Amino acid sequence: DGGITQSPKYLFRKEGQNVTLSCEQNLNHDAMYWYRQDPGQGLRLIYYSQIVNDFQKGDIAEGYSVSREKKESFPLTVTSAQKNPTAFYLCASSPWDNTYEQYFGPGTRLTVT
Amino acid sequence: AQRVTQPEKLLSVFKGAPVELKCNYSYSGSPELFWYVQYSRQRLQLLLRHISRESIKGFTADLNKGETSFHLKKPFAQEEDSAMYYCALRNTGNQFYFGTGTSLTVIP
Repeated sequence: DGGITQSPKYLFRKEGQNVTLSCEQNLNHDAMYWYRQDPGQGLRLIYYSQIVNDFQKGDIAEGYSVSREKKESFPLTVTSAQKNPTAFYLCASSPWDNTYEQYFGPGTRLTVT
Repeated sequence: AQRVTQPEKLLSVFKGAPVELKCNYSYSGSPELFWYVQYSRQRLQLLLRHISRESIKGFTADLNKGETSFHLKKPFAQEEDSAMYYCALRNTGNQFYFGTGTSLTVIP
């Protein structure tokens, strides 16, 4: 089954701990994205990467970090510096062509208490 | 700054009635606009993009640069159209900006 996967589906952490969310794709897409979704706010871009070993900050990158060591993987770390980490996190990938269609994962719901 | 606005959080229409989901944007460059849809228990997926000028599942959207709008329309709504709809803009830096979404309910 091809596509983009995120794990785990639900994640619980204590305040002050870093946590890493997984995102993997086997679509051979060059670009990958991380979004945060909060009620009433739509999707907001955290980080994105257009090629391996390169990534750019989105509008709300503070308190987050990413890496892109492999084309198929784009993990997101939510650090203790993120003031409101409890949210739904969506990962997406996109081919580097003129369609720019984004393919979304199922999401991870992170709860920090 | 780029911004996408969807003024309606909730929209209900009767089956067979026309439906229009509004989307306005602000962007100084030449925008690329998209509509994404999320059906119940499914992933967010692309519905259509302005550049291809296509009709998908009976939906169309026309980019109006004068009004900075990209409204989604369908002449006859069906029950299976009930879903969450997001308007999105891509800038030249390949960043995407999404609206807050409109939840459409088609009443049988």
